[in-house]
Parts: sequence; C-alpha cells; structure tokens
Amino acid sequence: DAEITQSPRHKITETGRQVTLACHQTWNHNNMFWYRQDLGHGLRLIHYSYGVHDTNKGEVSDGYSVSRSNTEDLPLTLESAASSQTSVYFCASSVGGTTEAFFGQGTRLTVV
Amino acid sequence: GENVEQHPSTLSVQEGDSAVIKCTYSDSASNYFPWYKQELGKGPQLIIDIRSNVGEKKDQRIAVTLNKTAKHFSLHITETQPEDSAVYFCAAGSNYQLIWGAGTKLIIKP
Repeated sequence: DAEITQSPRHKITETGRQVTLACHQTWNHNNMFWYRQDLGHGLRLIHYSYGVHDTNKGEVSDGYSVSRSNTEDLPLTLESAASSQTSVYFCASSVGGTTEAFFGQGTRLTVV
Repeated sequence: GENVEQHPSTLSVQEGDSAVIKCTYSDSASNYFPWYKQELGKGPQLIIDIRSNVGEKKDQRIAVTLNKTAKHFSLHITETQPEDSAVYFCAAGSNYQLIWGAGTKLIIKP
C-alpha cells in the first residue's frame, strides 16, 4: 500500500545545530507540504512543493528550508535550531489542488 | 492575513448525542472546505470535505454545511460514539493552499 513516512519520530537537539527531518511518500503525489503543530495554533504551513525542483515558502518559513530533488522526498532542514522551533512537525502529500492530503505520523522535535 | 476561526476549542458531549463544530473564514476566494480528524499520536485524516458549489454534504453520521454568504461552515456528528473522541480541524482554501483552524478537542462522555 502507498504511504507517507516521516523520520525520526522523536528527536532532541541542541540550540544552534542543523537538523533535517525526512519525509518520504510512495503515492507519487506532486504536492508535498510541511506543517508544524503547536497547541492553540492548529497546523501552520512551513514550506510546500508542487513538483521536483519546486519549493515555496509558507506562513512560518523563517529558519527552515526544503529541497525537492525527486517526487518521493521533501526533507525539511532547520539551519540553526532554536527553542522556538520545538514542535510537532507533519509532512503531507496530495495529488494536487484542492484534494485530500495524506499526512505522515509526525516528528516531535525538542530543541534544548 | 487570511484566517480561519474554529469554535469551540473543547467540546464535551454525552455518548449518543450530537456534536457541532463551527468555523468562519475570511478569504472570500476560498472554495474548498475539508474537515480532518486527528487521533492521539497520529497525523490528521480527512473525514469529509465540501466545495463551494454545494451547501450540504452527508456521509453516514457526519455532515458538513456551508454558508458562503456568511463565510462559515460547520461539522455535525450525530449519534456520537467513543471512537469519535479526537481533535477535529477545519480548513478553508483555494488552489493549492489551505488555512487551518486551531482545532476542537471532542470528548465523548460514556
């Protein structure tokens, strides 16, 4: 069955370190998204991609970057981790436009 | 910027009763309104969606209504069951971007 997987599921890192969260989907979807989820804020879009070599900034993109070198993967990099980036991160993918998005299980990141 | 307000933040209902969650959006260009359910430790999962050319949609115990003039839409769950306990998110959008509500924690009391 097609799926979307995130790794790691949990990570603790120190302030200032570079961190990369992986997202891999086997749906062959063009669209991929990264969200962060914080209590009281719902899901906030960090970056998104409509296809290979395409990346776009979301509403909370400062301090994050992504790259899309193939259809299956959209890794999220925190260039220099800050305590404000402690959160649960979700990756999602969709066929396109206004269609169902499939979410990964999430990565809980703690920056100490 | 554009936003989606969702109410209530927590809803507690007796098993078997109905639950209603309401959302209001600001972008008049929004034409797609999905609802997602998130169980503990999992990612959100789509349960129902509605598009702007439809006023109501129903799927078994779940229904969504849309009032484009007032810019609000609602999720209705009838005959609630313990497995309905979760966090529910509404979203509104067009093209490729969705704006999400803050979520409603639904508690089903036995």
